[in-house]
Amino acid sequence: DTEVTQTPKHLVMGMTNKKSLKCEQHMGHRAMYWYKQKAKKPPELMFVYSYEKLSINESVPSRFSPECPNSSLLNLHLHALQPEDSALYLCASSQDLNTIYFGEGSWLTVV
Amino acid sequence: SQQGEEDPQALSIQEGENATMNCSYKTSINNLQWYRQNSGRGLVHLILIRSNEREKHSGRLRVTLDTSKKSSSLLITASRAADTASYFCATDRSNDYKLSFGAGTTVTVRA
Repeated sequence: DTEVTQTPKHLVMGMTNKKSLKCEQHMGHRAMYWYKQKAKKPPELMFVYSYEKLSINESVPSRFSPECPNSSLLNLHLHALQPEDSALYLCASSQDLNTIYFGEGSWLTVV
Repeated sequence: SQQGEEDPQALSIQEGENATMNCSYKTSINNLQWYRQNSGRGLVHLILIRSNEREKHSGRLRVTLDTSKKSSSLLITASRAADTASYFCATDRSNDYKLSFGAGTTVTVRA
């Protein structure tokens, strides 16, 4: 099973809403990632969790709050987002840096 | 942060033709990877080449790496309509799970 599952696939939220994106992997990978991707651009790293601990935060605004409840789950809590935060949010996992497995992404629209 | 630059930005070819795209990077690397992304989907790992390797093959894919020129190329032979996608190179410079993606090349294979 080489799958990273993300929910929801699509999310529309207002600027005052609080919502969460969820990600799950059952490959036993020790690292999990959140990437943000705007149209026609490469993915940009947001956060990395290694062994369930936050190891990298790429200076992401605090309106994005990651959480790793256990080794299989990764959440991204969203609060007071701006329209420019609309993007495809990709979760990924890996055992090492040789291959990163990506989920299908969650399309977020902030209105 | 984005380290790689890719060219061309876009490529349109006839089915059966070969597609070649290039990636240049700025600093020394541990390895270089290529990923494919179908429109609006997650990224799929294609192939990894280590810094001490010069060429690698996988099916219809051929990757070269020239560390003296800090560049890599991806060749897709006998292209098919299903190869229509964006292709990204990605490099890692350390062991901290930070992968930097290039700008990507959008390939369209015409039937």
